[in-house]
Amino acid sequence: AQSVTQLGSHVSVSEGALVLLRCNYSSSVPPYLFWYVQYPNQGLQLLLKYTSAATLVKGINGFEAEFKKSETSFHLTKPSAHMSDAAEYFCAVSDYNFNKFYFGSGTKLNVKP
Amino acid sequence: NAGVTQTPKFRVLKTGQSMTLLCAQDMNHEYMYWYRQDPGMGLRLIHYSVGEGTTAKGEVPDGYNVSRLKKQNFLLGLESAAPSQTSVYFCASIKGTGRAYNEQFFGPGTRLTVL
Repeated sequence: AQSVTQLGSHVSVSEGALVLLRCNYSSSVPPYLFWYVQYPNQGLQLLLKYTSAATLVKGINGFEAEFKKSETSFHLTKPSAHMSDAAEYFCAVSDYNFNKFYFGSGTKLNVKP
Repeated sequence: NAGVTQTPKFRVLKTGQSMTLLCAQDMNHEYMYWYRQDPGMGLRLIHYSVGEGTTAKGEVPDGYNVSRLKKQNFLLGLESAAPSQTSVYFCASIKGTGRAYNEQFFGPGTRLTVL
């Protein structure tokens, strides 16, 4: 089975600072990778996805992620944090035919004024 | 277009009671999923369905049953609720396989407490 590891259950940044949320996956074949965001008391919303096209993927709200096969990583970044970015972020990987998705344990992002 | 809806939004059960959670999607999606979300554990797949009339087990299927009698609905049943099933339950769906169709659309969740 595939697995996803998110380093840091809580990350705190100042408004305007760089956001870096880490995700590493274990997979014997290049997977499909996703980042989702969850605002309080809501469902998950797709931020971006990697599907073996470009390794640098741009998503909504200014977020982007880079697929690095040699490091088995798919870290999420945003150059300048905004207060509205405060939420929980989940990295996920799917198997090749999308029967199953495996989620990381999540990282809560706090943005300080 | 309501997307993915879940009924009910909240529920409190006593140990041993049964209940059914309903997930409905109006996007004509083929695949549907049930997850549970617990603090610090992310989302874990309970059961999934790749089409009407089909179901399969996910990571944590014990204590749950599912049915997909209609393409738009995916039901999750708890036959005899236990406190360990206290969680937030999310339903999700995707249109189908292929890179263009693999975005999961999530419902708003059902918060279940088992006393």
